[in-house]
Order: sequence, then structure tokens, then C-alpha cells
Amino acid sequence: QSVLTQPPSVSGAPGQRVTIYCTGSSSNIGAGYNVHWYQQLPGTSPKLLIYGNNIRPSGVPDRFSGSQSGTSASLAVTGLQAEDEAEYHCQSFDRSLNVWVFGGGTKLTVL
Amino acid sequence: QVQLQESGPGLVKPSETLSLACTFSGGSIESSYWTWIRQPPGKGLEWIGYIYYDGNTKYYPSLRSRVTISLDMSKDQFSLRMSSVTAADTAVYYCARAPAHGSGTYFSQWGQGTLVTVSS
Repeated sequence: QSVLTQPPSVSGAPGQRVTIYCTGSSSNIGAGYNVHWYQQLPGTSPKLLIYGNNIRPSGVPDRFSGSQSGTSASLAVTGLQAEDEAEYHCQSFDRSLNVWVFGGGTKLTVL
Repeated sequence: QVQLQESGPGLVKPSETLSLACTFSGGSIESSYWTWIRQPPGKGLEWIGYIYYDGNTKYYPSLRSRVTISLDMSKDQFSLRMSSVTAADTAVYYCARAPAHGSGTYFSQWGQGTLVTVSS
């Protein structure tokens, strides 16, 4: 059972917009800790996609954007492309556990 | 650009000790948390712990009694030892680097991961 909750799967057609939500609590996201997102392509290791809630590392397309509100965060992908099909993970810090925590991951399928 | 590479046995017997090493290059030892993360088959990521250049460590509470992370600066390498393993420890183990920015940090570089199976 992950501390952060993500839907197991989402899907969308090429060109569409999808949003992946990451729900936490008052001891992590709700406490103001940054949320970060990772993209894990099939058979590869996770890659940093968004950090500090909404900052894209160099080389990440601006089709990817992040936001945070209250005890939740979200990752939006616009103009879906086949290459976006991957597992997406959110991550934050939990002050009750005093550790970094992840969501269970969301599989994005491009129809 | 920091690069990391895990190495170690892919098969460990139950009750024995899992030992992995991560060799890194291209990064500043002093400004990083050198981290281990694992991913059981079909499940999400789980942070295991980190070591800082001054030797300070931090571990996930439920694993603390079984885990030791050490750093060998002469070899640009850090290691994970996990004792008394069970089938529940079967996972892909990743080493990663996080900028030493405190609780708000993130994992900016990852190794390719190594699958460790616990089985007799």
C-alpha cells in the first residue's frame, strides 16, 4: 500500500490531453512538500520528468506539466503521442514517516 | 552528467544477505544523497535509504533493522547490504542520486536497475 495514491491506469487517444492525479495527506503533499514526477518507459529505469511541483528538467517537452493543490498533485500530458506510453510515478516527502514516498504508479496507454 | 551502474548477484537464498554495489561517475560526492530504491514485480517504487558524503545515513523505518548503506569514496562507489532476506525482498533494485536539498529533494539520476530474486 503506497503512501501516495495514483490510479492504476489512464488512457487517451493521440493528440488528446490526459491528467494523472496523485493524492496524499496532510503529512506529505498537504504539508507543502514538493511533488516530483518520473516517467518509466517499458523495460527502463525511471527518469525525472517534473520536479518542484511544476519544473521541467532540460529536454522534457512542454507537453508535460505539473501542479499541486491541497493534498493532491497532478501531471498533465497534452498532445498525446505514442512515445508517451509509460508508467508515471509521483514522489514527495512524508513528515510523519520522515522518509521519501512514492505513489503506486499509473500506466498511461495511448489508444 | 552523473552516471550510475548497479552490480551484484541476481539470486539470493532466503535468510541470507543481499549485497549490491553502485559505481557512479560525473557527480559531486559532497552535494548528493546516494540512494537505493527498489521496485517489486508489478508494484510501485519504494525508497530504501541514502548515505551522505559525511557518512550520515537514513533508512526506511520498516527496513532499518536489516539495511546498511556504505560509501567508498576511493572507488566512487556506494553499497547496499540487506540481511535476512525473504521472497518479499524480490525486486529490481535501483541506485540513484538526489541533490542534497533536504526533504524537498528528488531523484535526478538513476542506474539501469538490477533484478534480485530471493529463492532457494
